[in-house]
Amino acid sequence: AQSVTQPDIHITVSEGASLELRCNYSYGATPYLFWYVQSPGQGLQLLLKYFSGDTLVQGIKGFEAEFKRSQSSFNLRKPSVHWSDAAEYFCAGGGYQKVTFGTGTKLQVIP
Amino acid sequence: DSGVTQTPKHLITATGQRVTLRCSPRSGDLSVYWYQQSLDQGLQFLIQYYNGEERAKGNILERFSAQQFPDLHSELNLSSLELGDSALYFCASSVDSSYFYEQYFGPGTRLTVT
Repeated sequence: AQSVTQPDIHITVSEGASLELRCNYSYGATPYLFWYVQSPGQGLQLLLKYFSGDTLVQGIKGFEAEFKRSQSSFNLRKPSVHWSDAAEYFCAGGGYQKVTFGTGTKLQVIP
Repeated sequence: DSGVTQTPKHLITATGQRVTLRCSPRSGDLSVYWYQQSLDQGLQFLIQYYNGEERAKGNILERFSAQQFPDLHSELNLSSLELGDSALYFCASSVDSSYFYEQYFGPGTRLTVT
């Protein structure tokens, strides 16, 4: 079955530190992969997406993600976190018939 | 602002009642998706419409139904409401029906069933 797993429910990082949020997928073929961000009280906003080609994808707000087929992973990274990045992050995979969202990772940023 | 509008923002109702949530997609988008987000279930895909036709179904209960009208706005109808239906309901739209395309999410409708 198609699935997306985010193993970390909650992550805390210091402002200015680097960030990596993990996402693992299980799809028969290469899926379309997305990262969305949800700020408190808001809907989800797309950060970046991958569907083919260069495995390192650049997104908005300084985020990037790397598709690694050998590890079935699509981890989200940011070199230096800002307090405004505190939010919930969702990895999603699109395949036949539907898109599946992970359970989300809540990011807390401390001064 | 994603361009997707949802009304109402908040809804409080009693068990056994019926409510209708409304969504207007971004201008030019033909596909509409409905999601339910709750603390215990996370973000669950309910149903997708494309240009007025049902395209895909997710974990939608039989008590729930949806439709997309000729002007492309969509409504999600929830009936015989239970306490467990309390959640945030999101509508999203995309230009086409393929999951390749980015989905633009509305701000959500928070439903509280008492």
